[in-house]
Amino acid sequence: DAKTTQPNSMESNEEEPVHLPCNHSTISGTDYIHWYRQLPSQGPEYVIHGLTSNVNNRMASLAIAEDRKSSTLILHRATLRDAAVYYCILRDVGGSNYKLTFGKGTLLTVNP
Amino acid sequence: SAVISQKPSRDICQRGTSLTIQCQVDSQVTMMFWYRQQPGQSLTLIATANQGSEATYESGFVIDKFPISRPNLTFSTLTVSNMSPEDSSIYLCSVERGRQNTEAFFGQGTRLTVV
Repeated sequence: DAKTTQPNSMESNEEEPVHLPCNHSTISGTDYIHWYRQLPSQGPEYVIHGLTSNVNNRMASLAIAEDRKSSTLILHRATLRDAAVYYCILRDVGGSNYKLTFGKGTLLTVNP
Repeated sequence: SAVISQKPSRDICQRGTSLTIQCQVDSQVTMMFWYRQQPGQSLTLIATANQGSEATYESGFVIDKFPISRPNLTFSTLTVSNMSPEDSSIYLCSVERGRQNTEAFFGQGTRLTVV
């Protein structure tokens, strides 16, 4: 299974941008990059996903390196509510790796 | 989106007993999954709940310990059998509408403590 590497923790200040990195050097051509986050005492929630091009939605932006071996989740203006564990997951929905496999993720702390 | 109701939200159980957790979705979904999250850890997939057939278990999980039912496209149950303190975890239900790169939705989880 393709694996991802994320920092264990990061810290940010409220209303500042946050860049959460993810390395996935063994990514295959059909792996999509998914991001989920888990707020305290809640189940995970979907954030964003992409294949090759950068993606934007109401929650965040996803910047994907040209060689696809790394990506960055961007929260444009962090709020206290964004404090959560962020998971970067590779997913090949057309193959055997379609299941969501959660790593340890990055614990984001947002300071007021 | 999909709204998932998991019951119970928490329970404290005696060792050796069994607990059945229910997962109800507000609309039909193709895929349903059960996860375990041990204290301070990430999520681990237990099994895929298949409608009308036996669940597909991940390595390290067996049907005798975690029997799963899925009678229709909106409902599933996970039973934690013959519980021990090591089974104390949060159990989460997850659903997806299809396999075509869809978004997964998660329930709030069931916090189980075995004493």
